[in-house]
Amino acid sequence: DSGVTQTPKHLITATGQRVTLRCSPRSGDLSVYWYQQSLDQGLQFLIQYYNGEERAKGNILERFSAQQFPDLHSELNLSSLELGDSALYFCASSANTDTQYFGPGTRLTVL
Amino acid sequence: DQQVKQNSPSLSVQEGRISILNCDYTNSMFDYFLWYKKYPAEGPTFLISISSIKDKNEDGRFTVFLNKSAKHLSLHIVPSQPGDSAVYFCAASAETSGSRLTFGEGTQLTVNP
Repeated sequence: DSGVTQTPKHLITATGQRVTLRCSPRSGDLSVYWYQQSLDQGLQFLIQYYNGEERAKGNILERFSAQQFPDLHSELNLSSLELGDSALYFCASSANTDTQYFGPGTRLTVL
Repeated sequence: DQQVKQNSPSLSVQEGRISILNCDYTNSMFDYFLWYKKYPAEGPTFLISISSIKDKNEDGRFTVFLNKSAKHLSLHIVPSQPGDSAVYFCAASAETSGSRLTFGEGTQLTVNP
């Protein structure tokens, strides 16, 4: 158990819909990262937050957004969903080191 | 542009023998490297890391070697156990681009009893 929690574990929705994925980092970790793992691709970095502020952005679509709240939990919002958005979405957290600890992931299926 | 590559999609070894997983990178700005293990339907689990100022780091049965001139790292598992069967990902980060991790495609390790 990494100490990072993600909800929900599974999510099934239709094209055009909007969903919110939630992540709680390990106790004391200020950084939260979101990654996407599609069927035909490896783990791709989406976005990083540090203590409530956006720190870095990767290949995140404009239809996707994220935020980190004062209690340090983070949410990833995916809107206008397309079939290609079906993937595993992982959250990770880190303290001052470069080592990131991953949550169990949310499997999103868009029908 | 695949900056981190794991050229072997799969590796099969006998229990008790050594498993060697390889990883190559192209970005010379990478200065921190990690290995993660992943079971199906679970998140990646951190195994071991190495900073670019070192060439070796050991933790129990796991040793990571870094060859900066060749831009190559490897993970050695000795002795291999059936419970080690999983997908292993190599990842790298560069201080200049924050802490984002760039992952390889993964290698499926199967340890046969």
